Amino acid sequence: ETGVTQSPTHLIKTRGQQVTLRCSSQSGHNTVSWYQQALGQGPQFIFQYYREEENGRGNFPPRFSGLQFPNYSSELNVNALELDDSALYLCASSSGQGGNTIYFGEGSWLTVV
Amino acid sequence: GQQLNQSPQSMFIQEGEDVSMNCTSSSIFNTWLWYKQEPGEGPVLLIALYKAGELTSNGRLTAQFGITRKDSFLNISASIPSDVGIYFCAGQRNNDMRFGAGTRLTVKP
Repeated sequence: ETGVTQSPTHLIKTRGQQVTLRCSSQSGHNTVSWYQQALGQGPQFIFQYYREEENGRGNFPPRFSGLQFPNYSSELNVNALELDDSALYLCASSSGQGGNTIYFGEGSWLTVV
Repeated sequence: GQQLNQSPQSMFIQEGEDVSMNCTSSSIFNTWLWYKQEPGEGPVLLIALYKAGELTSNGRLTAQFGITRKDSFLNISASIPSDVGIYFCAGQRNNDMRFGAGTRLTVKP
């Protein structure tokens, strides 16, 4: 139990649709990172939010966007879904901007058909 | 894509055996972490290493942060069936964390 909760746990979307995934960070953590994990691979860094601002981004197109709220919870939005977006989306929280241990939620499984 | 080379990709071992896996990178990291992931769940932190040369244990698990800051290894001693899962190394530098592709461990009773 890491204290990081994600919703929904599973969802199916159609190509071209938009999706919003949600994350509540561990108590006391002000940094949230999002990762995409395709089947059989390690997680890939999408972006990080620190105190409601984007604080680093991986190699993902602009149709992947996010938000962090004053209570440090976060959303990941993906527009114009593509079949390759099918993956486990993981949220992780930590305290501070970097160098602190990251704890993961159980993830949201997204299937794009 | 992945910047960390993790090996081996998979291991099939007998209960009681020791296990060793490692991770190398072309880049320097400030922190090395080892996670375990079981089906349908997110990665769970096993060990975090913050200093080059650091050797840290967590029960039957031991991990080291390489002197060059470009590698790390994880050892599991006296494996048990519940050690089954995928083990990921991760290197962290500032606000960016990169993962290896994972080592899938199977333990036969």
